[in-house]
Amino acid sequence: AQSVTQLGSHVSVSEGALVLLRCNYSSSVPPYLFWYVQYPNQGLQLLLKYTSAATLVKGINGFEAEFKKSETSFHLTKPSAHMSDAAEYFCAVSAKTGRRALTFGSGTRLQVQP
Amino acid sequence: KAGVTQTPRYLIKTRGQQVTLSCSPISGHRSVSWYQQTPGQGLQFLFEYFSETQRNKGNFPGRFSGRQFSNSRSEMNVSTLELGDSALYLCASSLEGTNTEAFFGQGTRLTVV
Repeated sequence: AQSVTQLGSHVSVSEGALVLLRCNYSSSVPPYLFWYVQYPNQGLQLLLKYTSAATLVKGINGFEAEFKKSETSFHLTKPSAHMSDAAEYFCAVSAKTGRRALTFGSGTRLQVQP
Repeated sequence: KAGVTQTPRYLIKTRGQQVTLSCSPISGHRSVSWYQQTPGQGLQFLFEYFSETQRNKGNFPGRFSGRQFSNSRSEMNVSTLELGDSALYLCASSLEGTNTEAFFGQGTRLTVV
């Protein structure tokens, strides 16, 4: 069975500061990993995905994440936060074969202070 | 390219009633998955349909069901509604399955009173 743990349900940063959102996964085999963003009253938008190519993955809006197998982590970063980054972020994992449903973490709400 | 369309956006139903939600995937996508989002349980997988067949199913009671039509549009049905069914229901479409790249609709907000 797969699972995802997101450390910190709320993260607050100042505009222009580094954004770091943590995600650790548990899976018996190397999975696919994703980060999604959700704005209020909206669906989920894919930020980036890891599908066993490069371990450093670049996504939209300046976000990137690094897959670290030894640490079973897939943390999301952005060098400089913008007010428009305020949203809820979800890390998700899925198997490469078989049951391909996404298993989501509990989410991290990012606040950006002016 | 049009995105994933879910209708209606908002619904209010009474306990005991049934409800049907609709999802039109991106043109060419054959996989449609449904997820339930609640403050307490977070995002949970309901089921996935691929080429009109249910391919995967989450851990939900039989009151939750779905189907997919030949044009890949999907519906999900919840019978005998309970207060705990109040949630945002999200539909995701993808070419082959949500483990590749899934595109989500804006969701249907269901409130059961």
